[in-house]
Amino acid sequence: AQKVTQAQTEISVVEKEDVTLDCVYETRDTTYYLFWYKQPPSGELVFLIRRNSFDEQNEISGRYSWNFQKSTSSFNFTITASQVVDSAVYFCALSEDSGNTPLVFGKGTRLSVIA
Amino acid sequence: GAGVSQSPSNKVTEKGKDVELRCDPISGHTALYWYRQSLGQGLEFLIYFQGNSAPDKSGLPSDRFSAERTGGSVSTLTIQRTQQEDSAVYLCASSPGGGPTDTQYFGPGTRLTVL
Repeated sequence: AQKVTQAQTEISVVEKEDVTLDCVYETRDTTYYLFWYKQPPSGELVFLIRRNSFDEQNEISGRYSWNFQKSTSSFNFTITASQVVDSAVYFCALSEDSGNTPLVFGKGTRLSVIA
Repeated sequence: GAGVSQSPSNKVTEKGKDVELRCDPISGHTALYWYRQSLGQGLEFLIYFQGNSAPDKSGLPSDRFSAERTGGSVSTLTIQRTQQEDSAVYLCASSPGGGPTDTQYFGPGTRLTVL
């Protein structure tokens, strides 16, 4: 069965620091998809990125970057030069190609960026 | 275009009462999902609708929970004889085609409090 673990429950950083949010997943499928979502205080989940299992190329989008490593079953998310607006709960999620399409979510990491 | 909308945004009810939560998906999206987010927990899948197919109800926690989707668009999640443990944020999501590669877009959620 698929599982997503976000070991960091809460992280606090000072503005402009870099921060990495960890995500480790378990799946028996060879084809699967990984996602990161951001949930700001307003509560609405905002899609950040989707990564296919057959594409291990890391991705950078502005201050955000993602490091996907199949060898360690990890899909970590780094925010460079963090800002107060980055404060939110971040969720990593997984869907398998062969199973239902509902996402399996980790329990989230609450990031607080302090000015 | 408009995103996923949910109503009401907040609902307070007494134990034993029935409640209905509404979700309007993004226009043209064929797949619709309901999730529950309890305090300190990740997102828990409840039910999934894809087009005219029979819904996947595998995540519903008890027979007090039911959902329907009329005309392939709006969905209503009904909780009968509410219990205090039903208190949570109920999130609705939609995606274009319902496949595992499709990104799910979430609504703002309905916060349900059962007294």
